[in-house]
Amino acid sequence: QKEVEQNSGPLSVPEGAIASLNCTYSDRVSQSFFWYRQYSGKSPELIMSIYSNGDKEDGRFTAQLNKASQYVSLLIRDSQPSDSATYLCAAHSGGYQKVTFGTGTKLQVIP
Amino acid sequence: DADVTQTPRNRITKTGKRIMLECSQTKGHDRMYWYRQDPGLGLRLIYYSFDVKDINKGEISDGYSVSRQAQAKFSLSLESAIPNQTALYFCATSGGSGNIYEQFFGPGTRLTVL
Repeated sequence: QKEVEQNSGPLSVPEGAIASLNCTYSDRVSQSFFWYRQYSGKSPELIMSIYSNGDKEDGRFTAQLNKASQYVSLLIRDSQPSDSATYLCAAHSGGYQKVTFGTGTKLQVIP
Repeated sequence: DADVTQTPRNRITKTGKRIMLECSQTKGHDRMYWYRQDPGLGLRLIYYSFDVKDINKGEISDGYSVSRQAQAKFSLSLESAIPNQTALYFCATSGGSGNIYEQFFGPGTRLTVL
C-alpha cells in the first residue's frame, strides 16, 4: 500500500470552475501535509501547507484536512489555464525524518 | 534571491561513467535532500542530510553516493552509471524559520545514461 495516494488523472475542469484534488494517506501519525504544483519539466513548487483539521485558505487555494478519515484535499477556485499542472500531495509522519510524496494528479483547465 | 541551484541542468553520459550532480543553496537551510523522479513513480528519496556531519540513506540509495561539503552544498554521485538511472533529479532544502518539513526544490537535472 502506498503511503500517500492520489488519482493520477487527468482531471479536466472548465475555466472558472472549482478544481478539487484529493489525497489519502496511510500513516495515522502523519502530522504535516503539503501541496506542491509541478509544471511539466519543472521542479515542484510548494503552494500550501496544512497541519490541523479543517480548512486553510490562501487566495484561490483552500486546503482541507480530515485526520479521522486520513484525507487531504486541495480546492482551486476560479480555475485558470495557468493552473494546468501536476499537483503533488505530501505528508510528514512524526516518527520519520522525511516527507513522502504522492505520484501526483494532473489537472487540465480547459479555456 | 535566496535560491536552490543545481548543476548541470542536463547531462548525457555513457554506461559505466562516474558523474557528479551538484546542489547549492543560499536559503540558509540545514536540511538537504536528493530525489529522483520517474514517470508514474513520483519523487523518490535517494539521500538526505540534516547537517554537514549527518548523512542518511533514502529509499533508493543503491548505486548512489553523496557528499555534504558545507551547509550550502550537497553533491550526488553515480559511481558507475547505468541506463535505469536515467531520470530527472532534484535537490531540495528545508529548515529555517518555517516548518522544517516544507521543502524547496532546485530546478532539476535531466540525466540520460546511454
